[in-house]
Amino acid sequence: AQTVTQSQPEMSVQEAETVTLSCTYDTSENNYYLFWYKQPPSRQMILVIRQEAYKQQNATENRFSVNFQKAAKSFSLKISDSQLGDTAMYFCAFMILTGTASKLTFGTGTRLQVTL
Amino acid sequence: NAGVTQTPKFRVLKTGQSMTLLCAQDMNHEYMYWYRQDPGMGLRLIHYSVGEGTTAKGEVPDGYNVSRLKKQNFLLGLESAAPSQTSVYFCASSYWTSGGQETQYFGPGTRLLVL
Repeated sequence: AQTVTQSQPEMSVQEAETVTLSCTYDTSENNYYLFWYKQPPSRQMILVIRQEAYKQQNATENRFSVNFQKAAKSFSLKISDSQLGDTAMYFCAFMILTGTASKLTFGTGTRLQVTL
Repeated sequence: NAGVTQTPKFRVLKTGQSMTLLCAQDMNHEYMYWYRQDPGMGLRLIHYSVGEGTTAKGEVPDGYNVSRLKKQNFLLGLESAAPSQTSVYFCASSYWTSGGQETQYFGPGTRLLVL
């Protein structure tokens, strides 16, 4: 069974600063995807970034980037130039590629507060 | 496109009552999922569907039933609600791209309170 661990229940960062959220996972599979989802107070789950395990290059999406360390099974999210709108719960998620419907396994989340 | 929509947004039930949550997507996605989210936990998969007329159990299926009679709709039923089913329910849909990538798109959630 796959597990996803987010060891930081809460974090705080000042506006315009950089923050890194940690995520580790455990799997014996070799072909999988990793995701970061953002859940603002509206509760909508919003995809932030996705990383394919076969890609060595770290994914980036504007101010969001990941540090993917496959051997260490680590997948951290870096948010640069933090904005007040980044305040949300952030979930790390893991998905094995099966060729059909693939189930996401989520971590317990990190609550990020961006302050002035 | 409306994307993934869920009905209702919020509901209060008494123990033993039944109800159905509706998920609809207009993106022609093959795969649909129902998750629940409880405080301090990530989302957990209840049931999922790989196509019209098919359903399968996820991680926490007990107490729920599902149906996918139409490709665009995925229904989640509670036959006899229990307080342990108080949760926020999320529906998601997904597809495979030509590059073999699957992305799940989530609805806005349904908050259910069972008294």
